[in-house]
Amino acid sequence: GAVVSQHPSRVICKSGTSVKIECRSLDFQATTMFWYRQFPKQSLMLMATSNEGSKATYEQGVEKDKFLINHASLTLSTLTVTSAHPEDSSFYICSARLAGDLDTQYFGPGTRLTVL
Amino acid sequence: AQSVTQLGSHVSVSEGALVLLRCNYSSSVPPYLFWYVQYPNQGLQLLLKYTSAATLVKGINGFEAEFKKSETSFHLTKPSAHMSDAAEYFCAVRRGDYKLSFGAGTTVTVRA
Repeated sequence: GAVVSQHPSRVICKSGTSVKIECRSLDFQATTMFWYRQFPKQSLMLMATSNEGSKATYEQGVEKDKFLINHASLTLSTLTVTSAHPEDSSFYICSARLAGDLDTQYFGPGTRLTVL
Repeated sequence: AQSVTQLGSHVSVSEGALVLLRCNYSSSVPPYLFWYVQYPNQGLQLLLKYTSAATLVKGINGFEAEFKKSETSFHLTKPSAHMSDAAEYFCAVRRGDYKLSFGAGTTVTVRA
């Protein structure tokens, strides 16, 4: 089956630093990748959608300059949390979608970010 | 706009008992609905999806869900719970832009 990986699985950083999270589709080419944020005991909130080779589209209320997304290849998308603050601490999950199947997203295992 | 509401943030069942997770939807167009499961420290896995074909949808791991338009519901059931069913379950609806909108999730615990 389609596998999506994320790296790192956990990261702790100091306030004011930037953190990069990678999302890879291991055995398929993903034309579209999604980034979600999940607070404890809450639902997944879509942050942005990235399409290979083009700019990401952000959901309303998500700061573009805060959460930088790059989708440089069909198997890799990155999320960079810039100048992280404690309120950015969360569980970040990515998913990937094949071009021919708009209804199926394959999810990564998530990245736990803690900002001190 | 499309949205889903999951009733009950936590469900506890005995091993072998029926599992029932409730999900109601709101949609101005015929909805596409999904159930996902999330095990601890893992990504979401698709259990089943409704795409306007049969109203009773069978998924993996013995789960099924029934689409009821009159009740705007898409409840998930499994006749006999297993310890391995302990997880977080999310109902989701496809938005008009083909993105997903998730419910708040229901945590299932299974008692021996």
